[in-house]
Amino acid sequence: EVKLLESGGGLVQPGGSMRLSCAASGFTFTDFYMNWIRQPAGKAPEWLGFIRNKANGYTTEYNPSVKGRFTISRDNTQNMLYLQMNTLRAEDTATYYCARGNADYWGQGVMVTVSS
Amino acid sequence: DIVMTQAPLSVSVTPGESASISCRSSKSLLHSNGITYVYWYLQKPGKSPQLLIYRMSNLASGVPDRFSGSGSETDFTLKISRVEAEDVGIYYCGQLLENPWTFGGGTKLELK
Repeated sequence: EVKLLESGGGLVQPGGSMRLSCAASGFTFTDFYMNWIRQPAGKAPEWLGFIRNKANGYTTEYNPSVKGRFTISRDNTQNMLYLQMNTLRAEDTATYYCARGNADYWGQGVMVTVSS
Repeated sequence: DIVMTQAPLSVSVTPGESASISCRSSKSLLHSNGITYVYWYLQKPGKSPQLLIYRMSNLASGVPDRFSGSGSETDFTLKISRVEAEDVGIYYCGQLLENPWTFGGGTKLELK
């Protein structure tokens, strides 16, 4: 069974940093692109970016809206996906999801609140 | 960015009846490989989105065949036959053709 479990969310002040983690299980992690997608309360999802699979060199792509502030990485020995978020703003407040491949499986999400 | 526009904003359906949701993209989602990169997701109340349809017309694993997707290069339809209580939620279309992937604003399905 495919499982994705995010962690690391919470309250952070504007300008601060936060790292989210996603533990993956139930599939061959290195075979898949992995995404981060966020969703502000009551709004549509916003794709943040992905990190490619082994066959494609684990390279990354980002939504221009977060490029330069957010960094996606993975630890293939631990089946972990990460999202490093810097210079956080109030508008980054949302539920953050990791999702596999073409977003065929999503985690349960983790809340990030940026507020003073 | 490719803009995805959904209609209607909400739909109220009698259980057992059918429902259709439309989605229009601001640019063709047909790749040169012949695949149309539109996806449909359902977000049930309090849950994460789940994939229903991929590449315009392919049913995702475990999704009832009451769901079907169709369309052209820029106009897409999700049809739900014989609506059930478990179908309640917000439906999103999304394009995975180019960076950044984008989603429609959502269509809320309720039961009468």
